[in-house]
Amino acid sequence: DAGITQSPRHKVTETGTPVTLRCHQTENHRYMYWYRQDPGHGLRLIHYSYGVKDTDKGEVSDGYSVSRSKTEDFLLTLESATSSQTSVYFCAISSTRLDEKLFFGSGTQLSVL
Amino acid sequence: AQSVTQLGSHVSVSEGALVLLRCNYSSSVPPYLFWYVQYPNQGLQLLLKYTTGATLVKGINGFEAEFKKSETSFHLTKPSAHMSDAAEYFCAVRRLDSNYQLIWGAGTKLIIKP
Repeated sequence: DAGITQSPRHKVTETGTPVTLRCHQTENHRYMYWYRQDPGHGLRLIHYSYGVKDTDKGEVSDGYSVSRSKTEDFLLTLESATSSQTSVYFCAISSTRLDEKLFFGSGTQLSVL
Repeated sequence: AQSVTQLGSHVSVSEGALVLLRCNYSSSVPPYLFWYVQYPNQGLQLLLKYTTGATLVKGINGFEAEFKKSETSFHLTKPSAHMSDAAEYFCAVRRLDSNYQLIWGAGTKLIIKP
């Protein structure tokens, strides 16, 4: 299994508070992604990174920011959490472009009350 | 715009029966297509993918899928279901305008009856 660790695994927070989710990989893969998974929607891409300090927006990036200061870490920040951001968040990595396969972490269940 | 449609949010089959999970896509050119599986409380893992070449693609755990351009379909099949196949299955297509983004179907939960 690819070495991907997401932390925390579960988090409950209140509306308006900042939240940071961490994805750590030990595979030295260039590409990293943050997805959210909601029932009936499949996965939706929030942000992705194609190298250190190189990031770009996905299809549902509003309200989220990311940072990648090291190859192995990709942080997702909710600046001011809202109830609509209650979701399961998955980090994924790939060594090349999406022609190859994505490896997923185990997910973070985030509840915003 | 590209899209992926998975028919049936839930599919129930008996153990030993044929598994058929349907996926249709919209794309102006032959796309790259993927099936991923998500076991309970886990992340997704790649089952199989179609890029170019042979239209019948074999994946892990006895699954296969056939790319049919005329039907814009990429249905997933397995001849004989096993209890361990119970999971959620996602079809995805690579966006034509991006090498980094996939468009995902909503998922189909496969239920195996003993």
